[in-house]
Amino acid sequence: GENVEQHPSTLSVQEGDSAVIKCTYSDSASNYFPWYKQELGKRPQLIIDIRSNVGEKKDQRIAVTLNKTAKHFSLHITETQPEDSAVYFCAAKRTTGTASKLTFGTGTRLQVTL
Amino acid sequence: NAGVMQNPRHLVRRRGQEARLRCSPMKGHSHVYWYRQLPEEGLKFMVYLQKENIIDESGMPKERFSAEFPKEGPSILRIQQVVRGDSAAYFCASSPSGVVNTEAFFGQGTRLTVV
Repeated sequence: GENVEQHPSTLSVQEGDSAVIKCTYSDSASNYFPWYKQELGKRPQLIIDIRSNVGEKKDQRIAVTLNKTAKHFSLHITETQPEDSAVYFCAAKRTTGTASKLTFGTGTRLQVTL
Repeated sequence: NAGVMQNPRHLVRRRGQEARLRCSPMKGHSHVYWYRQLPEEGLKFMVYLQKENIIDESGMPKERFSAEFPKEGPSILRIQQVVRGDSAAYFCASSPSGVVNTEAFFGQGTRLTVV
């Protein structure tokens, strides 16, 4: 089955700096890669996703990149703000053929300091 | 279009009782996932269901846990004879079927406390 690894487990940046979170996956058939943000005591919320037919996607201060050959994808947050502090989870899924479950990484706790 | 609805939000059970957690997917979504989350930990996969079918239950403990997603009504995660170790937040997520639209959205979760 799919295995998703995520690094780092904790990340502290100063407000205004950039943050990068990296994930690797094992199943070359995975073709859908979402990212979720979870604030304390709340549900995970989808913030951005990327499919395997593109290498990069951007939405305001958030961008994701995908390297299919190396089987890794990354989340980039620029100009970080205190409200970006949360736990971020990457995930991978196969949507073609036999659909697979959404497999999550172990999470990155991002702390944005003033 | 209401989001994914889970109930109850909080559930307290004594050891040995049964817990029934409900998840109503978003309108038009036919796939449901259940995850368990312990405090300060990640999302542990439990089961993946489609209407009337279990697609993947590789994360379900072999005893006491069961899940269903009937043709009509919500998906149910059932835990029999609960133990203290079952205390956790249980999240469900739903997604549409198909290849193009695959976004999965989470419900608010049910926080189960076993006393």
